[in-house]
Amino acid sequence: DQQVKQNSPSLSVQEGRISILNCDYTNSMFDYFLWYKKYPAEGPTFLISISSIKDKNEDGRFTVFLNKSAKHLSLHIVPSQPGDSAVYFCAATPAGAGSYQLTFGKGTKLSVIP
Amino acid sequence: DAGVIQSPRHEVTEMGQEVTLRCKPISGHNSLFWYRQTMMRGLELLIYFNNNVPIDDSGMPEDRFSAKMPNASFSTLKIQPSEPRDSAVYFCASRRTSGGGNEQFFGPGTRLTVL
Repeated sequence: DQQVKQNSPSLSVQEGRISILNCDYTNSMFDYFLWYKKYPAEGPTFLISISSIKDKNEDGRFTVFLNKSAKHLSLHIVPSQPGDSAVYFCAATPAGAGSYQLTFGKGTKLSVIP
Repeated sequence: DAGVIQSPRHEVTEMGQEVTLRCKPISGHNSLFWYRQTMMRGLELLIYFNNNVPIDDSGMPEDRFSAKMPNASFSTLKIQPSEPRDSAVYFCASRRTSGGGNEQFFGPGTRLTVL
C-alpha cells in the first residue's frame, strides 16, 4: 500500500522549458513534504520542502506547490537545465518534533534534453 | 564539512556469507537511519537510531539483519547469512533532531550483490 505515489516513472523535457513533477499522497497525517534529487551512484540529496501551512515554497529555479485538499504536490523547475537530469523523489512525514519517518515515492526520472 | 560516509561502496559476496555495512553520520547529527532501495519497493526504512539508541526497527526484514550504533559517529548494518534477495543499495542517512527541519542527509550508498 503506497502512501506516497509518483505515477510518472519518467519525464523528458527540453532545456529551458518547465519541468513539472507530480506526487500524490493518501495519509492525511502527513504534514511536511520534501523533494530529493538523486544522481546515479550517489545518495539522494535534499532539494526543497514545504510545510502544510503553506501552499507554495520557492527556492531559485525550484518551486513546490501543495494542494492539501487534493493530497497532491508538485515540483516545478524553471528553466530546466541538463544538469537537472536525475531521479526525483517525493517524501512525506507527519508533523511534530518526534516525527522521523520519511515515506518516499518510487521516484520520477527526469531527462532534460539539450 | 564531510557528509555521511559509507563503506564499502560496492560489495559482492556469495550466498551464506556475512556482510557488514558501515556508516559514519555527519558530526553533530544525533539521528541515524538505514534504508534499502530496490526496484520493486523503492526506498524503505530499515531502522532508526536516536542518540545511539534503536528507536524503530520495524523495517528490518528478518532476524538475519541486525544493526548497531556503538557511538555517535559509527553504525553498522549486518546481514548474516546473506541471500540473493538481499541484493540492493543500502543507504545510511543522518539528521539533527532538534533545531533543524525534517531533512535527512544521505550517504552515497553501498551496492550489495549476493550471488
